[in-house]
Amino acid sequence: GAVVSQHPSWVICKSGTSVKIECRSLDFQATTMFWYRQFPKQSLMLMATSNEGSKATYEQGVEKDKFLINHASLTLSTLTVTSAHPEDSSFYICSAGAQYFGPGTRLLVL
Amino acid sequence: GENVEQHPSTLSVQEGDSAVIKCTYSDSASNYFPWYKQELGKRPQLIIDIRSNVGEKKDQRIAVTLNKTAKHFSLHITETQPEDSAVYFCAASKSSSGSARQLTFGSGTQLTVLP
Repeated sequence: GAVVSQHPSWVICKSGTSVKIECRSLDFQATTMFWYRQFPKQSLMLMATSNEGSKATYEQGVEKDKFLINHASLTLSTLTVTSAHPEDSSFYICSAGAQYFGPGTRLLVL
Repeated sequence: GENVEQHPSTLSVQEGDSAVIKCTYSDSASNYFPWYKQELGKRPQLIIDIRSNVGEKKDQRIAVTLNKTAKHFSLHITETQPEDSAVYFCAASKSSSGSARQLTFGSGTQLTVLP
């Protein structure tokens, strides 16, 4: 079946630094990739929708200049958390559709 | 936009009993309703889904029902086992054919199956 991978699986960084998360579709092409964020004991909240070759669409309240999304190819979408702060600590999950979720990236900002 | 409400937030059942989780949605255009099981630190796992042209779907011990008029859908797990313990999420989506589905998730239900 279709597989979505994410890298890294976890990352610890200092406040003010930037972190890049990669999401790859391993055996299929994904025109669209969804990025979700999940805080502890909470639901998945859609942050943005990335579309190959065009600008991402951000949900209300999500800063597009802070969460940079690039979808340069049909198999790779990246989310960069710029100038990360402790409140950005969360579980970030990409998805290429209802059945295809990445394993998630746990970000801890110190 | 779509709003999905899920109840209960926690549910404890004895092994072998049934568990029912309920969700309501607000957007009558939603036409796809998946259910996910998420274990701690893992990705959501699709366990069953239902489309708006169907009222009920069953897969072994798991079943989902949909009432379009009332805009609610439910997950039923029979003969629960300790390994069913996890957080369950409902979701709703409206999507035209061929495009990837953007999901709105419910708030989740922590199911605990007591041995």
